[in-house]
Amino acid sequence: EAQVTQNPRYLITVTGKKLTVTCSQNMNHEYMSWYRQDPGLGLRQIYYSMNVEVTDKGDVPEGYKVSRKEKRNFPLILESPSPNQTSLYFCASSVPNQPQHFGDGTRLSIL
Amino acid sequence: AQSVTQLGSHVSVSEGALVLLRCNYSSSVPPYLFWYVQYPNQGLQLLLKYTSAATLVKGINGFEAEFKKSETSFHLTKPSAHMSDAAEYFCAVKRTGGFQKLVFGTGTRLLVSP
Repeated sequence: EAQVTQNPRYLITVTGKKLTVTCSQNMNHEYMSWYRQDPGLGLRQIYYSMNVEVTDKGDVPEGYKVSRKEKRNFPLILESPSPNQTSLYFCASSVPNQPQHFGDGTRLSIL
Repeated sequence: AQSVTQLGSHVSVSEGALVLLRCNYSSSVPPYLFWYVQYPNQGLQLLLKYTSAATLVKGINGFEAEFKKSETSFHLTKPSAHMSDAAEYFCAVKRTGGFQKLVFGTGTRLLVSP
């Protein structure tokens, strides 16, 4: 089954404790993105990747890092999480000019 | 820069009534436009897309949207609402060619009452 898998689905942690949210897709898609969803703001892009070892900033990249060492994986790294990064995060993947497939989301709470 | 505006953060309809969710876009180039639906505790699912072919686009679950360049609109409609349509709906725009950012509206929550 074609899917985008995010882990964990839920995480409560504390300020400053490094965390990684993994994202994996099994569709051999070149493009992958991370979004955060906040009430009243819709989804905003954090980072995106056009292919292996090619990444670029989206609209709200501050406080986040990504890597794309393999085509199927695109982890989101919060080196020193802060409460303003409490949000619902989505990973997505696609091939050029086709709709993005979304994961089921990761709800992060930073205390 | 491309953007979309969704009018109304909440829309309430009765079961069987017409559903109309509004989306206006801003783009200096021909846009690709999308409607996504998000059910509780789930990711976004594509409802339909406009890619400069037919202006009336039919999607899943009985939804359709009409691209109107003169009004810069891409409103989502469904003739008869079902309880199962209760969800949050997002309009999004993407520029044509290569990888371009998908820019989302702020979302509209559809409430369906019996």
